[in-house]
Amino acid sequence: DGGITQSPKYLFRKEGQNVTLSCEQNLNHDAMYWYRQDPGQGLRLIYYSQIVNDFQKGDIAEGYSVSREKKESFPLTVTSAQKNPTAFYLCASSIGLAGADGELFFGEGSRLTVL
Amino acid sequence: GQNIDQPTEMTATEGAIVQINCTYQTSGFNGLFWYQQHAGEAPTFLSYNVLDGLEEKGRFSSFLSRSKGYSYLLLKELQMKDSASYLCAFNTGGFKTIFGAGTRLFVKA
Repeated sequence: DGGITQSPKYLFRKEGQNVTLSCEQNLNHDAMYWYRQDPGQGLRLIYYSQIVNDFQKGDIAEGYSVSREKKESFPLTVTSAQKNPTAFYLCASSIGLAGADGELFFGEGSRLTVL
Repeated sequence: GQNIDQPTEMTATEGAIVQINCTYQTSGFNGLFWYQQHAGEAPTFLSYNVLDGLEEKGRFSSFLSRSKGYSYLLLKELQMKDSASYLCAFNTGGFKTIFGAGTRLFVKA
């Protein structure tokens, strides 16, 4: 059955290391998103992509990078430039633009801890 | 500016009714969403309101007043499995959806 798969579920990183979080969807959705969730705060948009080979910065893109080489895949790299990377990261997709065409479908999340 | 507020925590009893309120401010509005999120899991869609009024879906109902910037989620016949965070979010048009911090609901026996 269709859905969004994120991996790994838990990840530990040393300071100064880059890490890449995987996100794969088989819902045939055009739009994909990366959100960050911190305790006591709402989800914040990192990057989004409306179509293959195109992506846009969200509200907190600094220290992150993405690629969209395939419709199904939208990996997020957390670089050493991200000052406070410990967080719960959620990947999402929507049929069209979220809100305009329907709800967001979320993956199970990846919890990144910097040691 | 844009902001969204909802209570941090609520507690209710199994079998009861609970109302979770959400207020928002925005210049662009294209609908209000409610999502449910169990601890450590993905948020899942509950409801969407774009026009004023009440939308009912089983034990869950959602209300919207655009003029007041106000919404609520009503949960009836509470069950223990309803213990979760409930996220209020509005879409400003296009890609941008603004999320509240969520309301953690504890259902006690």
